[in-house]
This record gives sequence, structure tokens and C-alpha cells, in this order.
Amino acid sequence: DQQVKQNSPSLSVQEGRISILNCDYTNSMFDYFLWYKKYPAEGPTFLISISSIKDKNEDGRFTVFLNKSAKHLSLHIVPSQPGDSAVYFCAASQGAQKLVFGQGTRLTINP
Amino acid sequence: SAVISQKPSRDICQRGTSLTIQCQVDSQVTMMFWYRQQPGQSLTLIATANQGSEATYESGFVIDKFPISRPNLTFSTLTVSNMSPEDSSIYLCSVQGGKIGYEQYFGPGTRLTVT
Repeated sequence: DQQVKQNSPSLSVQEGRISILNCDYTNSMFDYFLWYKKYPAEGPTFLISISSIKDKNEDGRFTVFLNKSAKHLSLHIVPSQPGDSAVYFCAASQGAQKLVFGQGTRLTINP
Repeated sequence: SAVISQKPSRDICQRGTSLTIQCQVDSQVTMMFWYRQQPGQSLTLIATANQGSEATYESGFVIDKFPISRPNLTFSTLTVSNMSPEDSSIYLCSVQGGKIGYEQYFGPGTRLTVT
């Protein structure tokens, strides 16, 4: 039972353009959503989060959008930079307990 | 965010043996989490470790296979017992943090290969 899904295993974007990573979830009890970035041989690094009572949160080049009715969230990166090349995981939480992760999307930024 | 270290960073072990992974945090934390990332897969929570109480295991994970210790508020260990090649994974510890405590911060991970 995959409660959090990232349907795109990979995404390739040109440097300077917008990267959009998508995530769907099935559990309506999730109340907090997070995005992590992971480089090889490192642990996941927290990027940005959003509470279920909001529909948008912005932090510099990163913006997360939440559509509760569609049970969908997305991460926008503008402009994309070569250092953004990594695997991105979305995660969901219910009541500050465990995180449930998606399968990850490998983002490649091309020069 | 907390600074988290793990030892060892990687290891190659023979089947049937056990490995203990250490997780050290630079500040006191109530809850610590242990995750596993199998090759090409997502992160899966193994157990939640609170200081002074038994760890809480997720479905599919048992204490006999993955015993956890939490002797104080800055340290925890995870043991992978009686290893098989299927245990080859990255093992990660994390702690809660952030403004309202919903965020988790991860250590660098321990890459385990079982031959």
C-alpha cells in the first residue's frame, strides 16, 4: 500500500528553466508534507515543507504547492541550477510521527 | 538543525553475522528514528526510539532482527542481526526538529553490503 507516490522516476530540465516535481498521496489524515533532496552517499537533506492548512509555501527558489482535494503536491524550483541535480523525495506525516516517503524522482539539470 | 553522525559509514559483512550501527546527535532529542533504504527503493521506517522506553517497530520489522538501544538523549544504536544479502541497504537515523517538530533531519547513513 503505497500511500505516497512519485510517478516520475526521473526528470531532465535545462539550466535556468523551471523544474516541477510531483507527488500524490492517498491518506487524507496526513497533515504535513515535506520535500527532501538526496545526493549519493549522503543522507536526505530537508528542503521545504507545508502544512495541510496551507496551499503554498515559498523559500527562495523553492515553492511547494498543495492541492488537498486532489491529494497532490508539487515542488517548483526556479531557476534550476546544476547543483539541484539530485534525487528528490516527498514525504508525508500524520501528527508529527513517522514520515512516509515516496519513491523519489531523479532530477538532472542540463547546462 | 541538529548535526547527526553515524558509524560506520559503510561495511561489508558476511551472512549470518551482526552489525551495530551508532547514531550520535549534537543536542538532546526526545525521538530518534531508524530508516532503511534498499537499493533503488524509498526510505522505510524501521522503528522509533524514545529514551527510556522500548522502541516501537513498524509492520514487517521485529526486535529480534533489529534490536535498538537508546541509552540517553543524544545516542542510539541499531543492530542488524543474523544478516542475509536482503539486508544490504543504507541505514539512516533521524531526529525531529524544525519550528513545530514535524521536520526530520537525517544522518549521513550507513551503507551495508552483506555477502
